[in-house]
Amino acid sequence: AQSVTQPDIHITVSEGASLELRCNYSYGATPYLFWYVQSPGQGLQLLLKYFSGDTLVQGIKGFEAEFKRSQSSFNLRKPSVHWSDAAEYFCAVLPLGAAGNKLTFGGGTRVLVKP
Amino acid sequence: ETGVTQSPTHLIKTRGQQVTLRCSSQSGHNTVSWYQQALGQGPQFIFQYYREEENGRGNFPPRFSGLQFPNYSSELNVNALELDDSALYLCASSSGLAGNTGELFFGEGSRLTVL
Repeated sequence: AQSVTQPDIHITVSEGASLELRCNYSYGATPYLFWYVQSPGQGLQLLLKYFSGDTLVQGIKGFEAEFKRSQSSFNLRKPSVHWSDAAEYFCAVLPLGAAGNKLTFGGGTRVLVKP
Repeated sequence: ETGVTQSPTHLIKTRGQQVTLRCSSQSGHNTVSWYQQALGQGPQFIFQYYREEENGRGNFPPRFSGLQFPNYSSELNVNALELDDSALYLCASSSGLAGNTGELFFGEGSRLTVL
């Protein structure tokens, strides 16, 4: 069955430390891939997206993600976390041929930043 | 540029009642999508409207219905409310069908509690 999995429900990281959030997908053909962030009291915001080409994608707020076809993964990283990065992060996919905005989201990873 | 706005922000209903949620899309956007986000889960696609017509639907029963108006604002209607309908309802807008870019602009959501 087609699915998007974020194995880590919660992650706690110290401010200034690096962060990596995992995302795995299961689709017949590589879908379009996205990371969104949901901060308290705010709507979801797109961090970055991958359609094709360079497998290392740069996004906003200092985030990057690496697409690995062999592992069906699209992990999100940030070298040095700031307290304002505390939020919930969602990996999402858009299968090829799907309705324009029918994104399928993973269950999310909540990030807590320690001072 | 005005972002996506949703109303009401919170509401409480009882089982069997009907609810209407409203969304004003971002300026210049003519496509609206609705998502349901249950507590602790990722958003799930309900349906999408483009040029006032439904254009793609997720796995939701017919008691979930919608409208899009000539000014591209939208409504989500849910009839015969059930306890499991308690969730955050997110509206997202985009320009056209966004060429499958997946770059959606989300509102902050309407939190529905069904008692």
